[in-house]
Parts: sequence; structure tokens; C-alpha cells
Amino acid sequence: GIQVEQSPPDLILQEGANSTLRCNFSDSVNNLQWFHQNPWGQLINLFYIPSGTKQNGRLSATTVATERYSLLYISSSQTTDSGVYFCAVTRQAGTALIFGKGTTLSVSS
Amino acid sequence: DGGITQSPKYLFRKEGQNVTLSCEQNLNHDAMYWYRQDPGQGLRLIYYSQIVNDFQKGDIAEGYSVSREKKESFPLTVTSAQKNPTAFYLCASRLIPNYGYTFGSGTRLTVV
Repeated sequence: GIQVEQSPPDLILQEGANSTLRCNFSDSVNNLQWFHQNPWGQLINLFYIPSGTKQNGRLSATTVATERYSLLYISSSQTTDSGVYFCAVTRQAGTALIFGKGTTLSVSS
Repeated sequence: DGGITQSPKYLFRKEGQNVTLSCEQNLNHDAMYWYRQDPGQGLRLIYYSQIVNDFQKGDIAEGYSVSREKKESFPLTVTSAQKNPTAFYLCASRLIPNYGYTFGSGTRLTVV
């Protein structure tokens, strides 16, 4: 099956810093999503981005499908950005999301 | 408010007992999913269902069972055959053919 690798596994930042999270996948995908899991376990969808670039406030994401990777950018990080960021993909329509192991982000004030 | 509800939030089970986790959605979503999360791990797929009375095994289905008798409900039973059931369980739903997943708030199961 398709492999999803995220890096770095852990990231510690001071408030206000910028960061880049990476997701590599082993095969072509028809769906790629980024999620944020807060400290209470709730997952929130950030981006649906199988290709191209999207921005939402301080967050943006870029997927280069031909090179099989996606990047999530967080600018001017805040303590509320802390949590685990997951990349998830599907290989084809009708299948379920396959998740990477996540990047744990800790932002301190 | 539309959403997806998992209950209970915390569940304790004695070894050898079966236990059922509830997942209900009022979003009129077609597909529903169960994932398991262990510390430091990503979410791993247990079962999913795209229509009523039909479901498919995920990567770690052994020791689990599901049913989909109603569109709104997708309960997960953790059987005594599951060797290491202590984990955080997340349910999700999706409106086909849209791509957005909505997740519940999870059930934390502990075997005592």
C-alpha cells in the first residue's frame, strides 16, 4: 500500500517563528489533506490539496504531485497552533484516507 | 447543529469482554470510518462503510467488528480477540463525492 512519511516528527518553536512541515508519499494520489489534532484529540481539516497551492490566514500548503510531496507552512506561530499535524492521502476514489505518523508541534510563549 | 458524536468519551473494559463504541452523525453523510490512534502513531484504518449494509476492512480489522444498519450510525465492537485494544478511537464521516472528512471527538478505551 501507499506509504506516507512526515518530517520532522517533533518541532519546538517560540511564538512568532515560522515553520515548514513536509509530507512525502510513495505513489500517485487523488486526494491529499492536512489535519490539525488539538491537545484534546479533535481533528480539524486544514486543507484539501492534491496539487497546487492554497492559503488560509497564517497557514498555507503546497503539493507537488509529480514529485510526491506536500509542504505545510505555518507563519507567525501562536501557542494555539500546538498539537499534531497529519498528512493523509487516498490512492484512488472510493478508498479511505491513509495517514502519516504526524508532526508534533509545540509553540511556547 | 450538524455533527458527528462519539460516545462514551472514556471507556474501561476488563480483559475478555467485548465492548461497543458508538458513532452517530446527523450530517447525512454517506461514508463512515473508524480509525485507531496509538501514542506517537498516526491514525490506522479499522473499517469503513460507503453505503448502508456494506463495509470494508481496513489495515487492522482483526479483533474488531462493525455494522451499518442505518445511514446515521456506525458502531464499532472491540472483541476479546483484539490483543491490545487500549487506544484512542476516532470515527469520521464524509459526503460522497466530496473529499472533506468530519471527525468525532474520539473515545479513549482502556483495558484494565
